[in-house]
Amino acid sequence: GAVVSQHPSWVICKSGTSVKIECRSLDFQATTMFWYRQFPKQSLMLMATSNEGSKATYEQGVEKDKFLINHASLTLSTLTVTSAHPEDSSFYICSARGLAAWYEQYFGPGTRLTVT
Amino acid sequence: DQQVKQNSPSLSVQEGRISILNCDYTNSMFDYFLWYKKYPAEGPTFLISISSIKDKNEDGRFTVFLNKSAKHLSLHIVPSQPGDSAVYFCAAIGAAGGTSYGKLTFGQGTILTVHP
Repeated sequence: GAVVSQHPSWVICKSGTSVKIECRSLDFQATTMFWYRQFPKQSLMLMATSNEGSKATYEQGVEKDKFLINHASLTLSTLTVTSAHPEDSSFYICSARGLAAWYEQYFGPGTRLTVT
Repeated sequence: DQQVKQNSPSLSVQEGRISILNCDYTNSMFDYFLWYKKYPAEGPTFLISISSIKDKNEDGRFTVFLNKSAKHLSLHIVPSQPGDSAVYFCAAIGAAGGTSYGKLTFGQGTILTVHP
């Protein structure tokens, strides 16, 4: 149980275009979903926290107009990278938390974004 | 400000021996600590956790020790197996009422290599 999927697993886009990444909890209802990014050989950095039906809360330094997050249902959250630039190239990972233990997060497999 | 630190970027261990991965933290409001294992281009998978009110938690080959006064925790893997080779992340979650409540703060990770 507690499976989280992400789609796509990798994407290449041109500079200036937008890319949408989906995060789904497959076998549980995720009241809260988190979005992280990881640069090569670095740690996972929390970008934002989203609760179903409400606006996402962004971490300091993360541009909310550039990284649009929608958490429209208890099983789906989306991250849209708008007007992507090469510096947005990174590994984006989502996680989901259900109604069980408050500290447990289940991670998706990640999405590799390359902006050319 | 790196609130969770893993000062050893890598660790190499012989199969059958003990692997000890270390983690230090600075935020006294952290209430729960977790260890994750991660392979390249994949999301982290949960290994073991410990509450701040405990000093030890054991699950099979994995044991986590917490020294709250020293703000230090460690993960022991014994016996180590080649399949344990991966990046190990230490993470912490803040207590209720704090700004880091429910959010994972990750260390930089330690690459563990277990040689046959």
